[in-house]
Amino acid sequence: GENVEQHPSTLSVQEGDSAVIKCTYSDSASNYFPWYKQELGKRPQLIIDIRSNVGEKKDQRIAVTLNKTAKHFSLHITETQPEDSAVYFCAASPLNAGGTSYGKLTFGQGTILTVHP
Amino acid sequence: DTAVSQTPKYLVTQMGNDKSIKCEQNLGHDTMYWYKQDSKKFLKIMFSYNNKELIINETVPNRFSPKSPDKAHLNLHINSLELGDSAVYFCASSQDRGRGYGYTFGSGTRLTVV
Repeated sequence: GENVEQHPSTLSVQEGDSAVIKCTYSDSASNYFPWYKQELGKRPQLIIDIRSNVGEKKDQRIAVTLNKTAKHFSLHITETQPEDSAVYFCAASPLNAGGTSYGKLTFGQGTILTVHP
Repeated sequence: DTAVSQTPKYLVTQMGNDKSIKCEQNLGHDTMYWYKQDSKKFLKIMFSYNNKELIINETVPNRFSPKSPDKAHLNLHINSLELGDSAVYFCASSQDRGRGYGYTFGSGTRLTVV
């Protein structure tokens, strides 16, 4: 099955700096890669996603890049703010032999991002 | 209106008891899921139902039994609770069963087994 590795496990930055979180996946048939932000005691919430026919996607201060050949994708947050502090998860949606995944997401281990004022 | 709602939010119970968690979504999605988040924050899928049909069952002990009376509801019943079952359980739904687009999580149920 799919395996998603996420690094680093913790990331500490100063307000205004950039933060980068990287993920690799094992199943070359995966073609949907969302990122989730989970604040303490809250539910994971989708912040950005990318599909395999796109190499990069940007939404204000957040961008995601995908390298299908190398099977890795990254989240970039620019001009970080204290409210960006949370756990961030990458995920990949693999396909089964029948060509569908039934929406199964395999998550990375999470990155605890702390933005210091 | 809450899109994916779970009850209860907190559940403290003794080992050996049987408990249920309920989930309802009002998004019109066809697919619903149960995920378990352990103390290390790792999120792992347990079950998935598409239009009341079980389609994913990820090596979960058979003490866990999901039930979907209709496509808007997916409940989780757990028999003979063990200490290791303590975790946060998230229900989710998605609008496209092929890729999981539009995944929305419920607010979670924190289960503590003592």
